[in-house]
Amino acid sequence: EVQLVESGGGLVQPGRSMKLSCAASGFTFSNYGMAWVRQAPTKGLEWVATISYDGSSTYYRDSVKGRFTISRDNAKSTLYLQMNSLRSEDTATYYCTKTGSSGFAYWGQGTLVTVSS
Amino acid sequence: DIVMTQAPLSVSVTPGESASISCRSSKSLLHSNGITYVYWYLQKPGKSPQLLIYRMSNLASGVPDRFSGSGSETDFTLKISRVEAEDVGIYYCGQLLENPLTFGSGTKLEIK
Repeated sequence: EVQLVESGGGLVQPGRSMKLSCAASGFTFSNYGMAWVRQAPTKGLEWVATISYDGSSTYYRDSVKGRFTISRDNAKSTLYLQMNSLRSEDTATYYCTKTGSSGFAYWGQGTLVTVSS
Repeated sequence: DIVMTQAPLSVSVTPGESASISCRSSKSLLHSNGITYVYWYLQKPGKSPQLLIYRMSNLASGVPDRFSGSGSETDFTLKISRVEAEDVGIYYCGQLLENPLTFGSGTKLEIK
C-alpha cells in the first residue's frame, strides 16, 4: 500500500524558513517523480513544485521560484521542500504527491504551514 | 499559464440520479503523442484529494465505474452515474500538459 506521510509544518514568522519532509513507502520511490501541491485555507489546489525520479530536474511555480527548493533522498525514500523567505500567502496545507503521466495518483494527509507574526 | 475553468460552481443531486461537471482549458491539452493530459480529482470533506480519472477517460484504480471522463481537446466532462452519498465533496479538474500545472477552481457536489 502506497503511503506518503508529510511532516515539518507549523507556525513560522514571515521571512523565516521551514523544511517539509515526506516519507514514502509501498512503492519504489526512486522510480517516480514527486510533487508538492498546496491548498490555502478554504481555497483550491495549487501546484508548487515537481522533481524527477532521480532529482536531476526540478520545476517550480513562479511565485516560489528562488525561495523554495524541492529535493529528494532516494536512499531514504524521502521528499523535501525547503521554504525560505516565507510570506503570509504561503500559508496552506502542503501535500506530497506521487506523480507521473497517470496524474497525482497518491497524496499524503498534508501538513499545515501557517506564516504569521 | 493554462487556465482551467469549471462549471458549475456547485451542484445538488438526488441520490441515484446522474451529475455532470464541465471543465474547459484555455489551450488544447492534446499532446502530439495522442494523449490528452486532463485529470479529475475528488476532495471529500476533511480529506486529501484523490485521483478519479487520468488522461481524460481512464478510471483510476479503485474508483467505481459510476465515474467516467470524456471530452475533446479543450472541453471535458466528468459524469457521475447513480450518485451516492459518499460522492459528496469538491471535484477538481487539472492539467499535466505543461508547467505550471494548473487546476480548476472546483465544483462542490451536494446531496439533496
